[in-house]
Amino acid sequence: NAGVTQTPKFQVLKTGQSMTLQCAQDMNHNSMYWYRQDPGMGLRLIYYSASEGTTDKGEVPNGYNVSRLNKREFSLRLESAAPSQTSVYFCASSRSLGETQYFGPGTRLLVL
Amino acid sequence: KNEVEQSPQNLTAQEGEFITINCSYSVGISALHWLQQHPGGGIVSLFMLSSGKKKHGRLIATINIQEKHSSLHITASHPRDSAVYICAVPYSTGNQFYFGTGTSLTVIP
Repeated sequence: NAGVTQTPKFQVLKTGQSMTLQCAQDMNHNSMYWYRQDPGMGLRLIYYSASEGTTDKGEVPNGYNVSRLNKREFSLRLESAAPSQTSVYFCASSRSLGETQYFGPGTRLLVL
Repeated sequence: KNEVEQSPQNLTAQEGEFITINCSYSVGISALHWLQQHPGGGIVSLFMLSSGKKKHGRLIATINIQEKHSSLHITASHPRDSAVYICAVPYSTGNQFYFGTGTSLTVIP
């Protein structure tokens, strides 16, 4: 089992460009999450999906969109990247909300 | 206002020392989670506990619900324990977490 996988591992964008971060889990989990992590700050939730077919905003959703493509996959899209979105992005999944989360390896995004 | 406070922020220990990391929270919770983030960036869940104590190898987590406090102990610390340890508690709705900013531990050989 691969657990939670994320692509890409690293990306450089110019301001205004768009991109999609991909996340997939093979643990048959219902809930999936996207976080960002910035120096000196804790993990902050961008969006989450309690179950297939549902998505909800987290603490910092502005500038992002998500798609729960199926039970396995949850993607994060930046429509028009800004330097403030430079961060490390983590995808996670859990059997259900509030339970132990399993994290992907992260994506380092640099927006110039 | 931080719903989850960790202390210390940074900790340096000699190999073999007993280590304690503290987490205090201000919200009512059903369970508390401890996570470990390795220097390479990967995040692993260590414990989820709602009462008492849990042990996994050299790691012990305790929680006092009445005092809204949890501790993570590492016995016989080793350089490979060097990591950031993060405490997290769920919102009352259970759909999100409050995360602490982490305790950065360095264990020196």
